[in-house]
Amino acid sequence: AQTVTQSQPEMSVQEAETVTLSCTYDTSESNYYLFWYKQPPSRQMILVIRQEAYKQQNATENRFSVNFQKAAKSFSLKISDSQLGDTAMYFCAIEGGTSYGKLTFGQGTILTVHP
Amino acid sequence: SQTIHQWPATLVQPVGSPLSLECTVEGTSNPNLYWYRQAAGRGLQLLFYSVGIGQISSEVPQNLSASRPQDRQFILSSKKLLLSDSGFYLCAWSVPMASGTYEQYFGPGTRLTVT
Repeated sequence: AQTVTQSQPEMSVQEAETVTLSCTYDTSESNYYLFWYKQPPSRQMILVIRQEAYKQQNATENRFSVNFQKAAKSFSLKISDSQLGDTAMYFCAIEGGTSYGKLTFGQGTILTVHP
Repeated sequence: SQTIHQWPATLVQPVGSPLSLECTVEGTSNPNLYWYRQAAGRGLQLLFYSVGIGQISSEVPQNLSASRPQDRQFILSSKKLLLSDSGFYLCAWSVPMASGTYEQYFGPGTRLTVT
């Protein structure tokens, strides 16, 4: 079984500042993938960033980047130059390499960006 | 481009009544399909997934069932709703990527309230 833990129920940040959301996971799979999804107030789930576990290089997507520490089973999300539109719930998720794409999600972190 | 539809968007049903939620995908063939439930303020829990017509796997024992009568149609049903079935139901689809992972895309969701 796979588990994902997000230890920060809520976070807040000022506009234009940087914030980091934490995520730890556990899996017995040797090949797996990690994701961060964003769920704004509309509740539409949006993929933010993806990391393949076999890649050592941390993934980046514009203002979003991850710090992937495989040995520590840690996968944090850094949002730079925070914008009001980044206000949302953020979910960390894991997919085992042989699981037909099934995702296991963490409980989420509510991020509020203040003007 | 691919599109995923869910209906209804909102549903209020009495305890003991039947349920049918529908999800359809456009613009792709033979996708993997998934039903997730999100309780208020919580993470997503995978309920069912399907890798083909008539092929349904259940992840959590419960009062619900799923069917896939057509390649791009996925239905979530119940014969008798319970109060605990209330929640936000999300349908998702995925196809395998060259990297080996499955990138999931989510529908807009159905908010179900059982009274």
